[in-house]
Amino acid sequence: DQQVKQNSPSLSVQEGRISILNCDYTNSMFDYFLWYKKYPAEGPTFLISISSIKDKNEDGRFTVFLNKSAKHLSLHIVPSQPGDSAVYFCAARSDNYGQNFVFGPGTRLSVLP
Amino acid sequence: EAQVTQNPRYLITVTGKKLTVTCSQNMNHEYMSWYRQDPGLGLRQIYYSMNVEVTDKGDVPEGYKVSRKEKRNFPLILESPSPNQTSLYFCASSLVGVGGNQPQHFGDGTRLSIL
Repeated sequence: DQQVKQNSPSLSVQEGRISILNCDYTNSMFDYFLWYKKYPAEGPTFLISISSIKDKNEDGRFTVFLNKSAKHLSLHIVPSQPGDSAVYFCAARSDNYGQNFVFGPGTRLSVLP
Repeated sequence: EAQVTQNPRYLITVTGKKLTVTCSQNMNHEYMSWYRQDPGLGLRQIYYSMNVEVTDKGDVPEGYKVSRKEKRNFPLILESPSPNQTSLYFCASSLVGVGGNQPQHFGDGTRLSIL
């Protein structure tokens, strides 16, 4: 059973609009969450992270929201740009499990010009 | 340029023929890790290492070995590859900061096909 879920395999958004990518997790022991972006034929690159003691973290056009009670986090991209088209992975870890990172299956975002 | 380098990038081989995928980083990172990416499953952690001579199992370690004799290198060894190990493999590294919450830097991947 996947501990980190991204239930939307794909998402299409118009350029300039908001992109919202969702991630749900089942393990309440997770205390740190990260988002990675991946282009074809490249490795994932780190985008933004959030600790479980916060409910929001912002970096430029990217904002991550964490709802611990719902075990849900989301990544907002505003405004969306064609260069944001990529696969986005949500990842989680827990201090109780050392450096074991658990990734979701990814969501493919397409930003249409 | 700071980078994680994997070799080879592509490999087609046969069942049972031992193979090694090398991974090297030039950022003096303590932490290194191997993942495999399969459709619908995302990245699953195979093994990780917190420092030289320290390795731990991830979620899917069966059929794999690793070693960490030097800080910069973390090879992935398939002693007797099988077709279910056909996958896209990524190596990653990071610093180990307070709480260990440092983002990882990934290599560009190695696509393995085991016939």
